[in-house]
Amino acid sequence: AQTVTQSQPEMSVQEAETVTLSCTYDTSESDYYLFWYKQPPSRQMILVIRQEAYKQQNATENRFSVNFQKAAKSFSLKISDSQLGDAAMYFCAYRSADGKLVFGAGTILRVKS
Amino acid sequence: DAGVIQSPRHEVTEMGQEVTLRCKPISGHNSLFWYRQTMMRGLELLIYFNNNVPIDDSGMPEDRFSAKMPNASFSTLKIQPSEPRDSAVYFCASSLVSGDRSGEQYFGPGTRLTVT
Repeated sequence: AQTVTQSQPEMSVQEAETVTLSCTYDTSESDYYLFWYKQPPSRQMILVIRQEAYKQQNATENRFSVNFQKAAKSFSLKISDSQLGDAAMYFCAYRSADGKLVFGAGTILRVKS
Repeated sequence: DAGVIQSPRHEVTEMGQEVTLRCKPISGHNSLFWYRQTMMRGLELLIYFNNNVPIDDSGMPEDRFSAKMPNASFSTLKIQPSEPRDSAVYFCASSLVSGDRSGEQYFGPGTRLTVT
């Protein structure tokens, strides 16, 4: 079974600074997807960024980018120019070919003004 | 598109009562997922449907939980009888599966269930 580990229960960043959230996963599959979801206090799950395992190029979405290291099974999220609205719980998720999502425990991100 | 719709948004009930949570997936999506989120266990997949057929219900905690999808635009998750440990946020998500590729899952706003 696939597992996803987020080793940072909580992180803090100063507004306008950069922060990196860590995620590692375990799988024997070769074809899969990885995601970062954001959950603000409203509890809505918002997709931030996705990465396809067969693509070597790291995904980017505006201020959000990932560092995907397939051999190391690592998938970190970098948030540049942090904003107050980025404060939320962030979940790393793995999706296998059958479409099932497995989530990490989450990292609470606090943004200081 | 209105996105995934869940109702009710909040539900407070007494132990032993039946609870029914409802979900309307995004039009055109053919896969539907029910998740439960708690502080202790995080986000867990309970069950998912593909083309209205339950594919994997291994995450359903026990027989008190049941889920149905009578058509492509509606699903229910029922707990009977409810217990205080069922208190959680329940999410519904939908996606479009095409061929051997599964699209992103879009989540509803969740139902916060409190069982007293």
